[in-house]
Amino acid sequence: KAGVTQTPRYLIKTRGQQVTLSCSPISGHRSVSWYQQTPGQGLQFLFEYFSETQRNKGNFPGRFSGRQFSNSRSEMNVSTLELGDSALYLCASSSPGAGPTDTQYFGPGTRLTVL
Amino acid sequence: AQSVTQLGSHVSVSEGALVLLRCNYSSSVPPYLFWYVQYPNQGLQLLLKYTSAATLVKGINGFEAEFKKSETSFHLTKPSAHMSDAAEYFCALMDSNYQLIWGAGTKLIIKP
Repeated sequence: KAGVTQTPRYLIKTRGQQVTLSCSPISGHRSVSWYQQTPGQGLQFLFEYFSETQRNKGNFPGRFSGRQFSNSRSEMNVSTLELGDSALYLCASSSPGAGPTDTQYFGPGTRLTVL
Repeated sequence: AQSVTQLGSHVSVSEGALVLLRCNYSSSVPPYLFWYVQYPNQGLQLLLKYTSAATLVKGINGFEAEFKKSETSFHLTKPSAHMSDAAEYFCALMDSNYQLIWGAGTKLIIKP
């Protein structure tokens, strides 16, 4: 079974631009979560989608948004990029039950650098 | 509020020695706890999870963790460290909104 895939793996943007990151979950998984990882703030939850609906959202500004498609693939978008948005963005999918004990499987991440 | 604290941003052990990575949590409800490992330039891989079925949880790569409610701890151990264990380890708590609340991480350094 293929794992979680994220594209692109690396991205360089300049301040003010916008960016879209993509995540393909493990086949059959309907829950997709996004996390931001930085050296200063560590791992922080961005949002979670389940069956195309945003079920939960972390404490990030509205510049961060996401969506999920009917095939469970998810995208996150960051508009008006700031230097502080430079981070590793991780996507995780979980099994169909998507309850609190279900394991989240992580992709390799997208490394975003904002210049 | 729920939180996770990992004691020690860096832990150094000799190859073959015991590995002990500490994790304490704060939760007003029975917690679901996880340990993940992250190798350089990679995503996170689940080592083990506690879901209240058993207090001693065995995971992959020889790691195990014991849930101690009285101490609000979920420390990760491995009897004998291997060079390939060098990585960053994260303890996490699942909250009622299906969010993982993460500890700051502990980098494990293995000395030859």
